[in-house]
Amino acid sequence: QQQVKQSPQSLIVQKGGISIINCAYENTAFDYFPWYQQFPGKGPALLIAIRPDVSEKKEGRFTISFNKSAKQFSLHIMDSQPGDSATYFCAASKGGRNNAGNMLTFGGGTRLMVKP
Amino acid sequence: ETGVTQSPTHLIKTRGQQVTLRCSSQSGHNTVSWYQQALGQGPQFIFQYYREEENGRGNFPPRFSGLQFPNYSSELNVNALELDDSALYLCASSLQAGLNYGYTFGSGTRLTVV
Repeated sequence: QQQVKQSPQSLIVQKGGISIINCAYENTAFDYFPWYQQFPGKGPALLIAIRPDVSEKKEGRFTISFNKSAKQFSLHIMDSQPGDSATYFCAASKGGRNNAGNMLTFGGGTRLMVKP
Repeated sequence: ETGVTQSPTHLIKTRGQQVTLRCSSQSGHNTVSWYQQALGQGPQFIFQYYREEENGRGNFPPRFSGLQFPNYSSELNVNALELDDSALYLCASSLQAGLNYGYTFGSGTRLTVV
């Protein structure tokens, strides 16, 4: 059962453009929504994360928009740069003590290419 | 401060064999989780260890097992390897189980089963 669906699978953006990646989740118990960036040969690295009590979070060129009623969240990369070319994963987890660990449920990934 | 280190980086095994993958957690982190990432897919949660005990398990068969040691390092063992076990195995450490602290992932072990 795929609990987090991510789109698009691949994305090509011109340098300076805006990259937008979307995710939808099913489990309403999720309360933590991170985005990870993965370069070839490396493990995922935390980029930015949001909790459902806010609708938007911005860190530098990266913004998460969150729509709790629609069970959707998205990553916006402003002024996209060739160095942003990587695979991006959305994820979700439910926290709290004595839970089954704060396991992350990942989306399928989006391969972003930013053309110079 | 060191990050998460995994060994070996690459491994080739034959179907039916057993394999042990190793992970050293980031300094100060007491929780280790293991994920399997098949080619072109997102990581899938295998299990998590907290204070040397399994603290949650994903949808993986019992031939996937693990250990956590007093220094918080961890091992992932896979018995009776199958071709579908070919994947990147990621170890991630975090400060405390059950709380939504960010994970720090290692670079993974690429396992190929032939």
